[in-house]
Amino acid sequence: DVKVTQSSRYLVKRTGEKVFLECVQDMDHENMFWYRQDPGLGLRLIYFSYDVKMKEKGDIPEGYSVSREKKERFSLILESASTNQTSMYLCASSSGPSREVPQHFGDGTRLSIL
Amino acid sequence: QKEVEQNSGPLSVPEGAIASLNCTYSDRGSQSFFWYRQYSGKSPELIMSIYSNGDKEDGRFTAQLNKASQYVSLLIRDSQPSDSATYLCAVNGGSGGYQKVTFGTGTKLQVIP
Repeated sequence: DVKVTQSSRYLVKRTGEKVFLECVQDMDHENMFWYRQDPGLGLRLIYFSYDVKMKEKGDIPEGYSVSREKKERFSLILESASTNQTSMYLCASSSGPSREVPQHFGDGTRLSIL
Repeated sequence: QKEVEQNSGPLSVPEGAIASLNCTYSDRGSQSFFWYRQYSGKSPELIMSIYSNGDKEDGRFTAQLNKASQYVSLLIRDSQPSDSATYLCAVNGGSGGYQKVTFGTGTKLQVIP
């Protein structure tokens, strides 16, 4: 069974902290994504990676960076956390010709910035 | 104008009825269309994709696409309480080498036993 695993279900951090969200997939997928989901705003793409060390900015990359050193792992970094980054963060992966389409999502990390 | 629009609902249908979920999109260059189901407190699950005008059936689910009118719909026949969820429409398209997927905000479906 395919699996996308996010390191934490719930996380509480303080304003100004550097925050790392980790995601691992076991399907050998080339493509990985980070989204955030907010009520009324839906799913918004933060970053997308189509290969190791490759990344593309999504719709809302400001305040975030990503790292993909290994194929199976995609990390989202909040450089200096702010309260407006309180959200549900979802990692996803995909493969095949429709590479921009997220196929499998992790369970999500609900991040609160105090 | 939002790029992908859905009525937020809730859409309430009795068990056994047909649920019709609709979505409109603004980018005429869009090529691919998807439906995701998201149960409360869970992550989205890709359930249908459609690429050409017309209907595509998968079990109790039918996706319909009309590119001229820029809408895509999802019909759920013989609706079951287990179909109660939020359904997200997503559209893939645009110019350039990277064709991002844009999500609607979802329609909440409630199937009443």
